[in-house]
Amino acid sequence: DAGVIQSPRHEVTEMGQEVTLRCKPISGHDYLFWYRQTMMRGLELLIYFNNNVPIDDSGMPEDRFSAKMPNASFSTLKIQPSEPRDSAVYFCASSPGVSSYEQYFGPGTRLTVT
Amino acid sequence: GESVGLHLPTLSVQEGDNSIINCAYSNSASDYFIWYKQESGKGPQFIIDIRSNMDKRQGQRVTVLLNKTVKHLSLQIAATQPGDSAVYFCAERGYSTLTFGKGTMLLVSP
Repeated sequence: DAGVIQSPRHEVTEMGQEVTLRCKPISGHDYLFWYRQTMMRGLELLIYFNNNVPIDDSGMPEDRFSAKMPNASFSTLKIQPSEPRDSAVYFCASSPGVSSYEQYFGPGTRLTVT
Repeated sequence: GESVGLHLPTLSVQEGDNSIINCAYSNSASDYFIWYKQESGKGPQFIIDIRSNMDKRQGQRVTVLLNKTVKHLSLQIAATQPGDSAVYFCAERGYSTLTFGKGTMLLVSP
């Protein structure tokens, strides 16, 4: 089992550019979560999907952030335009439907916006 | 790895000692409490969980204690090893989602 796969692992971009983060969840998992981790705010839930449908996006900071899940094996988190305060590590996690407290995290994408 | 520990509470122990990591939670309605371990450069990894109607649960070298009266959760690691060095997060589950605490860094010296 390859686990949750995220790409890219590192992204450095200039302010104002569009950034797209990608995630492949574990096959058969019904839930997919996007988190952001910073020193100041810790690990924050941005949005989560159940069976490819967005359920709660109340953690998305603002309209510059959007997430999609076109199918069960792929999700994207897009930031447009990016700002320096978006610099963080972004994690994708997936979980089986029944025990959604046991989430499996990907390795994360470290985003630096200059 | 990720520099998530610069402002975190830190627990330093010697190899072979027992470690106790504490956590206060806020939501009395949470039905599960979970501990995650995050090593440098990696995503959090599930360690152990406890249901809200229990007060103790044991795993391999780890024990979680839940005190609902004071909303306190603790993780005990027996015979701590250098490989246990990481940031440990407690999390509480609401409806389908987890709320994570700020984390505690555990440093184990050989």
